[in-house]
Amino acid sequence: QKEVEQDPGPLSVPEGAIVSLNCTYSNSAFQYFMWYRQYSRKGPELLMYTYSSGNKEDGRFTAQVDKSSKYISLFIRDSQPSDSATYLCAMSAGNAGNMLTFGGGTRLMVKP
Amino acid sequence: AAGVIQSPRHLIKEKRETATLKCYPIPRHDTVYWYQQGPGQDPQFLISFYEKMQSDKGSIPDRFSAQQFSDYHSELNMSSLELGDSALYFCASSLVAASTDTQYFGPGTRLTVL
Repeated sequence: QKEVEQDPGPLSVPEGAIVSLNCTYSNSAFQYFMWYRQYSRKGPELLMYTYSSGNKEDGRFTAQVDKSSKYISLFIRDSQPSDSATYLCAMSAGNAGNMLTFGGGTRLMVKP
Repeated sequence: AAGVIQSPRHLIKEKRETATLKCYPIPRHDTVYWYQQGPGQDPQFLISFYEKMQSDKGSIPDRFSAQQFSDYHSELNMSSLELGDSALYFCASSLVAASTDTQYFGPGTRLTVL
């Protein structure tokens, strides 16, 4: 079983919908939680970063971390066709040079 | 804002050849990470360097080696290439002093081994 689990999708929603993306993890040492967006054949682009439990909002994006349940979420409001991409959750224990452990990614398609 | 630079962007090699990938981190970033992403896979961590010293090591084959230089750029050297080495190779950088451990990824080098 992978340390970080993520539903691969694809997730198809109409334009304007609220999108909910989720990851679960098993390693309690993880302290830093990130969401990356990756377009086909491009590098992962950092969307959201959260330390420990809590919520963080940035424009149309909201990230939530529940360490007690080992569960993280990314919400996208007013989804746009340009949001169509693969969304990767990633996490680390936070030591210098520490690796990121990724979920497998969820492919999102927002239809006009 | 300046981003992570990787070169070359595309590389085609024959089996058993050698390849060198280069990474130039965001200015003032002190840590570099290398990841390998196969088709339809999530990025897998290979190795990282903090202040020019190896910091963490993942599933990097013995045929691969890497280093970080005094100007903080890094090179990934891959020898005796195999067909299975065909993948996207990403470099990421971070600033440890910022205490956020946020890694910023470059555009990647697409390696094809024939």
